[in-house]
Amino acid sequence: ETGVTQSPTHLIKTRGQQVTLRCSSQSGHNTVSWYQQALGQGPQFIFQYYREEENGRGNFPPRFSGLQFPNYSSELNVNALELDDSALYLCASSFGNTIYFGEGSWLTVV
Amino acid sequence: KQEVTQIPAALSVPEGENLVLNCSFTDSAIYNLQWFRQDPGKGLTSLLLIQSSQREQTSGRLNASLDKSSGRSTLYIAASQPGDSATYLCAALGPDFGNEKLTFGTGTRLTIIP
Repeated sequence: ETGVTQSPTHLIKTRGQQVTLRCSSQSGHNTVSWYQQALGQGPQFIFQYYREEENGRGNFPPRFSGLQFPNYSSELNVNALELDDSALYLCASSFGNTIYFGEGSWLTVV
Repeated sequence: KQEVTQIPAALSVPEGENLVLNCSFTDSAIYNLQWFRQDPGKGLTSLLLIQSSQREQTSGRLNASLDKSSGRSTLYIAASQPGDSATYLCAALGPDFGNEKLTFGTGTRLTIIP
């Protein structure tokens, strides 16, 4: 049990739509990161938030955005969905240099 | 830019055998290296974490080693069981973005044959 919960677990969206994925982490975990894992690939770093500010981004376009809230919850928003956005989206919270992953949200774009 | 490679991409072994999974990384300035297990359709389960100052970590039948100078880590699984069948991912922490960005390999899909 990592203490990181994600919702929804599965969802289907249509190309061009927008999606919001949610994550709740443990109290005191001030850093949250989001990863995208396409089928058959390793997770790829999307971005990281520390104390509600983005402080690092991977090679993802601006239509991927996020928010972190004071209550240790966070969101990943993706606008103008494309078919290639179909993937498992993983949230990870950090305490020190220990990282805890949630079970992920499976997004299918049709 | 850190890059992590895992070989082989897939491995099948008979039950009871010992096996080794390999992971290599290009930038030795890592904070730690972590091994994860992923079952089909599921999230990541952390197996072992080796700090940069350590050489190995053990948990039950699993032993992970780290050689920063050569940019390699191995995961040794003793007396394999069908329940060990899963995809195993290694991930290096750092040096990008301070110490909190993981760079993953593409994984080794392990099948244990009963």
